[in-house]
Amino acid sequence: QVQLVESGGGVVQPGGSLRLSCAASGFIFNSYGMHWVRQAPGKGLDWVSFIRFDGTNYYYADSVKGRFTISRDNSRNTLYLQMNSLRAEDTAVYFCAKAMTAVTTSTSFDYWGQGTLVTVSS
Amino acid sequence: DIVMTQSPDSLAVSLGERATINCKSSQSVLYSSNNKNYLAWYQQKPGQPPKLLIDWASTRGSGVPDRFSGSGSGTDFTLTISSLQAEDVAVYYCQQYFGTPGWTFGQGTKVEI
Repeated sequence: QVQLVESGGGVVQPGGSLRLSCAASGFIFNSYGMHWVRQAPGKGLDWVSFIRFDGTNYYYADSVKGRFTISRDNSRNTLYLQMNSLRAEDTAVYFCAKAMTAVTTSTSFDYWGQGTLVTVSS
Repeated sequence: DIVMTQSPDSLAVSLGERATINCKSSQSVLYSSNNKNYLAWYQQKPGQPPKLLIDWASTRGSGVPDRFSGSGSGTDFTLTISSLQAEDVAVYYCQQYFGTPGWTFGQGTKVEI
């Protein structure tokens, strides 16, 4: 069965950095685009970033552009999110999610990880 | 970006009664070439990640009970739970995947007993 397991969250000071990982199993990882979605405490869902199945194209929400970098290692079935210049408003649970279909970006998210909490505080 | 607006923000429904959640997009998410609405619904129970319930506005996901149904087209959509069960207590989100990149969610609707 499909499993997505995030790690790397924690407490970091404003201006600091963190690298999140998402280990994938149960599907052909190198055939699907992957997303990061975050959820601030008590708030709704906020899409963060997407990377194509082969890593050749990626997109970011305006709120993280220039600070976050998405990448993937298809040999390790792992998705990453490098987060730099962190701000208090980046505090959230970060979920990785699998794109439903392989061939297009216009697709829903069919599997989600349990999430990892990032807290930006001094 | 396409803005998704849900209503109501919360609702309380008796067990066995119908729950209806609305979702409106700031522009059409209907792709005329294939006549598909690029609209999904997710369910998020407390302490859990979201779960895909419905995509293409009305196609139930694998294993989703048939008391959940989606309808609508263009800019106006509805999620209906025909007979609310205790396990349906959750926050429900609509999402558009038409205007990509830029996948956007509604603010969520909390369903309580």
